[in-house]
Amino acid sequence: EPEVTQTPSHQVTQMGQEVILRCVPISNHLYFYWYRQILGQKVEFLVSFYNNEISEKSEIFDDQFSVERPDGSNFTLKIRSTKLEDSAMYFCASSRDRDSYEQYFGPGTRLTVT
Amino acid sequence: SQKIEQNSEALNIQEGKTATLTCNYTNYSPAYLQWYRQDPGRGPVFLLLIRENEKEKRKERLKVTFDTTLKQSLFHITASQPADSATYLCALVSGNTPLVFGKGTRLSVIA
Repeated sequence: EPEVTQTPSHQVTQMGQEVILRCVPISNHLYFYWYRQILGQKVEFLVSFYNNEISEKSEIFDDQFSVERPDGSNFTLKIRSTKLEDSAMYFCASSRDRDSYEQYFGPGTRLTVT
Repeated sequence: SQKIEQNSEALNIQEGKTATLTCNYTNYSPAYLQWYRQDPGRGPVFLLLIRENEKEKRKERLKVTFDTTLKQSLFHITASQPADSATYLCALVSGNTPLVFGKGTRLSVIA
């Protein structure tokens, strides 16, 4: 069964450093998403991406964040200058259609900023 | 303000019983409501979607109801098993908002 994959599973970085989180969505899906979940809190939407551009973003997704689909398979989230409060699980998801349909989530990347 | 609330943080039930989880929302007019399962350290897994014009949806031992008057969805797991132990998240789509999640209810099924 096709699944969303994410690398790395765990990333430790120092405050102020840039990180890139990588995702491979399900191949015939058209919409891609990033979410984050701070430990013990709810899953929060960051950004959605369709047709090679951002379709929606939340207040969390400020200028420090960017997304890219550099080729036909990968979908990346870059945090330019990490802060302690960026420590969280980051989930990539994809769906065949807009978020009226079910979204398929990856296993997540645990980002720890020290 | 807009809120999604799942009534309890944790729910313990005996194996074989029916688990009922509640999701209430305020100041949303959801077109769709979804339920996901999340295991510790893992991503959410989609379970069921119910549309605003549907009252009930079933899938194997799972049943979801959606009452737009009460602004509530109920999620039932019948004949519960220890393997059903997980956190269950409700999430909704309302207007142009992206998927918004509740905090989840942690279900423990005791053998």
